[in-house]
Amino acid sequence: AQSVTQLDSQVPVFEEAPVELRCNYSSSVSVYLFWYVQYPNQGLQLLLKYLSGSTLVKGINGFEAEFNKSQTSFHLRKPSVHISDTAEYFCAVSVISGIKAAGNKLTFGGGTRVLVKP
Amino acid sequence: NAGVTQTPKFQVLKTGQSMTLQCAQDMNHEYMSWYRQDPGMGLRLIHYSVGAGITDQGEVPNGYNVSRSTTEDFPLRLLSAAPSQTSVYFCASSLYRDGSYEQYFGPGTRLTVT
Repeated sequence: AQSVTQLDSQVPVFEEAPVELRCNYSSSVSVYLFWYVQYPNQGLQLLLKYLSGSTLVKGINGFEAEFNKSQTSFHLRKPSVHISDTAEYFCAVSVISGIKAAGNKLTFGGGTRVLVKP
Repeated sequence: NAGVTQTPKFQVLKTGQSMTLQCAQDMNHEYMSWYRQDPGMGLRLIHYSVGAGITDQGEVPNGYNVSRSTTEDFPLRLLSAAPSQTSVYFCASSLYRDGSYEQYFGPGTRLTVT
């Protein structure tokens, strides 16, 4: 089984400051890693994903994440946030599988609410 | 494309009532799923379908039924609503892209059971 822990439930940050959202995961098998963003009153949308290769992954809206296998972490960062980045962010994993049922099962962390202040 | 659509956006039910949450997608995705979102718990998988006529249980299936008669539609039925089912419900469909499945989420249905 897999589990995902997001270490901060809320992160207040001032506009134009950097932000880091922490995510740790546990799995007995290899996984893919994802970050999703949920803007107020909307569904989730994919920010970025890590499958293999370079451990630094760039996503949309200036976000990037770094995979650290030894620490089983996948932290999300942005060097300078905007008011529009106020949202809830979810880290998720799925097992590596070409079988639809297995490959689509996402295990989510509890979410981190980012509030960007002017 | 409209993507993944869900109706209604909001619903209030009394304990014991039944209802169906609707979900539709126009992207011809074979895989569809239902999640519930509760504070601090992220999203948890209720039921999923790998194609028309095939459904299976996820992590938290009790109290919910699904069916998949067409590729486009995947309704979620609450048989006898309970306060513990107060939650936000998201439907998703997925596409295999760049080496993994990517899920597309609908805007959600906020359900309150009193």
